[in-house]
Amino acid sequence: EAGVTQFPSHSVIEKGQTVTLRCDPISGHDNLYWYRRVMGKEIKFLLHFVKESKQDESGMPNNRFLAERTGGTYSTLKVQPAELEDSGVYFCASSQEWAAFYEQYFGPGTRLTVT
Amino acid sequence: AQSVTQPDIHITVSEGASLELRCNYSYGATPYLFWYVQSPGQGLQLLLKYFSGDTLVQGIKGFEAEFKRSQSSFNLRKPSVHWSDAAEYFCAVRGSTLGRLYFGRGTQLTVWP
Repeated sequence: EAGVTQFPSHSVIEKGQTVTLRCDPISGHDNLYWYRRVMGKEIKFLLHFVKESKQDESGMPNNRFLAERTGGTYSTLKVQPAELEDSGVYFCASSQEWAAFYEQYFGPGTRLTVT
Repeated sequence: AQSVTQPDIHITVSEGASLELRCNYSYGATPYLFWYVQSPGQGLQLLLKYFSGDTLVQGIKGFEAEFKRSQSSFNLRKPSVHWSDAAEYFCAVRGSTLGRLYFGRGTQLTVWP
């Protein structure tokens, strides 16, 4: 069974440009989460999808970030326009159900560098 | 507010030595506690979790953790470290009604041969 995959693994862009990150969850997992780790800080929650609906988007930092999950399969996270403080590692995770005892499976992350 | 503190940013141990990684949490309700490990180029992998019951939980790769409610701690231990245990370790907490995890800053473990 394939795990959670993320693309690209690394992206370097200039301030003001747009970047789109993609996450493919484990097949059949209705729940999809985005997290971010800024260098030296903790991993922070961004948002949670249940199928194609946003269950919790309270962690999104501002309106430059747009997450979508059309059809309830893969998800994209777009940053437009990117700022220097957006640099970090963006993790995606998926789970079968959202209840606490269902494990969240993480992808390897996308390292975003904004110069 | 929910939070997790991992006071040790970097720990170095010799192979074969014992290991304890510290984790303290702040959570208003009954916490669900987790330890994850991230090796270079890999995603976070779940080592173990605590929901209720026995406060000493066993995980994969020979790790265990003990939940101490009075100290708000959930420390990770391993009696004998292997070189392959070198990685970054994250403690996390979540509640029963939200999907999100709250993570600590992580502890980087270096193992000397």
